[in-house]
Amino acid sequence: DQQVKQNSPSLSVQEGRISILNCDYTNSMFDYFLWYKKYPAEGPTFLISISSIKDKNEDGRFTVFLNKSAKHLSLHIVPSQPGDSAVYFCAASPTGTASKLTFGTGTRLQVTL
Amino acid sequence: GAVVSQHPSWVICKSGTSVKIECRSLDFQATTMFWYRQFPKQSLMLMATSNEGSKATYEQGVEKDKFLINHASLTLSTLTVTSAHPEDSSFYICSARGGAPNQPQHFGDGTRLSIL
Repeated sequence: DQQVKQNSPSLSVQEGRISILNCDYTNSMFDYFLWYKKYPAEGPTFLISISSIKDKNEDGRFTVFLNKSAKHLSLHIVPSQPGDSAVYFCAASPTGTASKLTFGTGTRLQVTL
Repeated sequence: GAVVSQHPSWVICKSGTSVKIECRSLDFQATTMFWYRQFPKQSLMLMATSNEGSKATYEQGVEKDKFLINHASLTLSTLTVTSAHPEDSSFYICSARGGAPNQPQHFGDGTRLSIL
């Protein structure tokens, strides 16, 4: 039972444009959500998080949107850069302390020139 | 900040041997450390959660006698794969987080374990 789903395994975006990565979850107990970026043969790198009391959190080029009623979150990267090319995982936690994360299956983003 | 170091990054060993993987938080005190396993083209699957000074909590289906976890200090946790077999070959990743609320987990670079 995949409680966190990233239905797009891959995404290609032109440099300078917006990248939108989507994530859906089924467990209504999740109340803390994170996005991680991962390069091959490396561990995930934390990007940005959002708690369920908010619907938007912004950090530089990265913005995460949360729609609790739809159980959906998205990561917007604008403008996209070639160095953003990586696999992006969303993760969710049932507590507010980022413990015991459940990860999605990842979306591979390729930013082209 | 928030650097987690994992060692070794790659290990190949014979079936039946035991392998120890270390996970260190270099610039913060890790109240909690986590061990994950990732199969090719799949997501990270949590194996166990360990708090400093206490026994690890294992996820359902993870053999605690096969995967020994020790979290003896606030900066070090180890995972020992005992009597490893080819089916234990995988990518193992640790993460650590501090004790303050809403602190994200910070990950090591993983260990590629290949059992021949």
